Amino acid sequence: GAVVSQHPSWVICKSGTSVKIECRSLDFQATTMFWYRQFPKQSLMLMATSNEGSKATYEQGVEKDKFLINHASLTLSTLTVTSAHPEDSSFYICSARKTGAGTGELFFGEGSRLTVL
Amino acid sequence: LAKTTQPISMDSYEGQEVNITCSHNNIATNDYITWYQQFPSQGPRFIIQGYKTKVTNEVASLFIPADRKSSTLSLPRVSLSDTAVYYCLVGNSGAGSYQLTFGKGTKLSVIP
Repeated sequence: GAVVSQHPSWVICKSGTSVKIECRSLDFQATTMFWYRQFPKQSLMLMATSNEGSKATYEQGVEKDKFLINHASLTLSTLTVTSAHPEDSSFYICSARKTGAGTGELFFGEGSRLTVL
Repeated sequence: LAKTTQPISMDSYEGQEVNITCSHNNIATNDYITWYQQFPSQGPRFIIQGYKTKVTNEVASLFIPADRKSSTLSLPRVSLSDTAVYYCLVGNSGAGSYQLTFGKGTKLSVIP
């Protein structure tokens, strides 16, 4: 099966620092990856669509300068939370779709829990 | 993107069959229906996907009526480990950007 790995699985940082989260497709190529944010007891909220070799597409209300996304290769997308604040504390999840997949099944990472002190 | 509606929560005893229905009245012709399972502090896990009629795999069945405006996920003989949130998503991988929008999901609690 297709495996998507996120790193780190959890991170604690001080307010004002930046944190980078990696999302890797381990055994397939992913032209498109998606980044979600999930607050406690809530559903996943799509933040942005990450396309290999081009700029990410952000959902309405998501600050592109705060949540920097880079998709430099077909197996890696990164999300950098810049100048993190306590309200950025959340569970961040990425997903990837196999290049050329017809039905659009997505494969999700394990998630990364960010706590900003 | 098609919006989905599911019951917020369901309770079931161990060993029973559980059916979770999802409404998606504005599903598009090219859309597939996909169900995911999510445990606390984990990413969603694919359960089953279908386009029409019935699909069955080793863990679940998916029933889709002819009008495709709803779908039912059927979990046979649930166990405590099936306690999770189940999401019904509708979308397709047509040309251009593609994404799945998560609704609120159904929190299934399996009772001993």
